[in-house]
Amino acid sequence: NAGVTQTPKFQVLKTGQSMTLQCAQDMNHNSMYWYRQDPGMGLRLIYYSASEGTTDKGEVPNGYNVSRLNKREFSLRLESAAPSQTSVYFCASSEALSGRGSDTQYFGPGTRLTVL
Amino acid sequence: AQSVSQHNHHVILSEAASLELGCNYSYGGTVNLFWYVQYPGQHLQLLLKYFSGDPLVKGIKGFEAEFIKSKFSFNLRKPSVQWSDTAEYFCAVNSNDYKLSFGAGTTVTVRA
Repeated sequence: NAGVTQTPKFQVLKTGQSMTLQCAQDMNHNSMYWYRQDPGMGLRLIYYSASEGTTDKGEVPNGYNVSRLNKREFSLRLESAAPSQTSVYFCASSEALSGRGSDTQYFGPGTRLTVL
Repeated sequence: AQSVSQHNHHVILSEAASLELGCNYSYGGTVNLFWYVQYPGQHLQLLLKYFSGDPLVKGIKGFEAEFIKSKFSFNLRKPSVQWSDTAEYFCAVNSNDYKLSFGAGTTVTVRA
């Protein structure tokens, strides 16, 4: 049982390049999330998916797109990377459909992205 | 939307000292409260959470937190820290939906 896995672990991009961050969970969770972590700002929610086929914007969605490919996988795409997107990206999942507030979110190891 | 304030950016203490990390939030309605920890090189993991019942919540590794509704606070405590408690600690809050709001985090360094 690997929990939440993310690839890649590290990535360096040039401004304007695109890339997709992959996330998968093996806990049969319904809800999945993408966060970014910046120094002194904690984690901020980018996008959320309550179930396969549904996605919603979080606090900082601009410049990102997501796909909930199936129940296990939730990817985050940067279409045209900018230096402001340099950050550590975390994927998370939780059990409940529609993200019941009291549910624990389980986090992946993170992807450290640098945009030059 | 909620906001979450963690009072200390960096705390340095010696082994066996007591630890208290402050957390205040801005939302006035029903809330769920969490403390997450990130050990060096590891995932964020849940330390403890409160969503109803006894406002004094016990978590893993000897941590506890007390929800004081009148003060909008959820402070984390441990009576005697160990070197292995060196980590970054995050307070998080939601109003019974998926939208977790995190504090900026507190880095705790425990000196042997």
